[in-house]
Amino acid sequence: KAGVTQTPRYLIKTRGQQVTLSCSPISGHRSVSWYQQTPGQGLQFLFEYFSETQRNKGNFPGRFSGRQFSNSRSEMNVSTLELGDSALYLCASSLDPYNSPLHFGNGTRLTVT
Amino acid sequence: AQTVTQSQPEMSVQEAETVTLSCTYDTSESDYYLFWYKQPPSRQMILVIRQEAYKQQNATENRFSVNFQKAAKSFSLKISDSQLGDAAMYFCAYFGGATNKLIFGTGTLLAVQP
Repeated sequence: KAGVTQTPRYLIKTRGQQVTLSCSPISGHRSVSWYQQTPGQGLQFLFEYFSETQRNKGNFPGRFSGRQFSNSRSEMNVSTLELGDSALYLCASSLDPYNSPLHFGNGTRLTVT
Repeated sequence: AQTVTQSQPEMSVQEAETVTLSCTYDTSESDYYLFWYKQPPSRQMILVIRQEAYKQQNATENRFSVNFQKAAKSFSLKISDSQLGDAAMYFCAYFGGATNKLIFGTGTLLAVQP
């Protein structure tokens, strides 16, 4: 079974630009979660989608948004990029996070210059 | 609010020896899950072991086992017969119904010496 696939693996953007990250979950998994990992703040929850609905959102500004498609694939968008948005963005999928563990992808390393 | 604390930023172990990584957490919930994840340089977060809070029996996965002390809110990971491939950052994480998200500790960087 293929694992969680995140694209692209690396991304370099300029301040003020916007970026879209993609995540394809494990087949059959309907829940997709996004996490931001930085050396200073560690791992922080961004949001979780289940069957195309956002069920939970972390404490991030409105510049961070996401969506989930009918095939469970998810995208995360960050608008008006700031230097502090440089981070590893991890996507995780599960059957349902209440009852089954999260399986993570390799992440997208975003660098904002 | 739920918190997860890993007090050991770095640990080192000799190959074939045993090492224990510490984790404490704080919660008012009675039903929750605890996890240990491993993150090697490849960056992928890999699930090592999972413990349901309602289960008194400690979880075990091959060379990995936990010591779950619910009353003390302690959840340590024991790695037996350490291998070079065990070298990684290890994160303790909490998942509860009130938050519906993984709350991670700050991680412990484990080095394995040959």
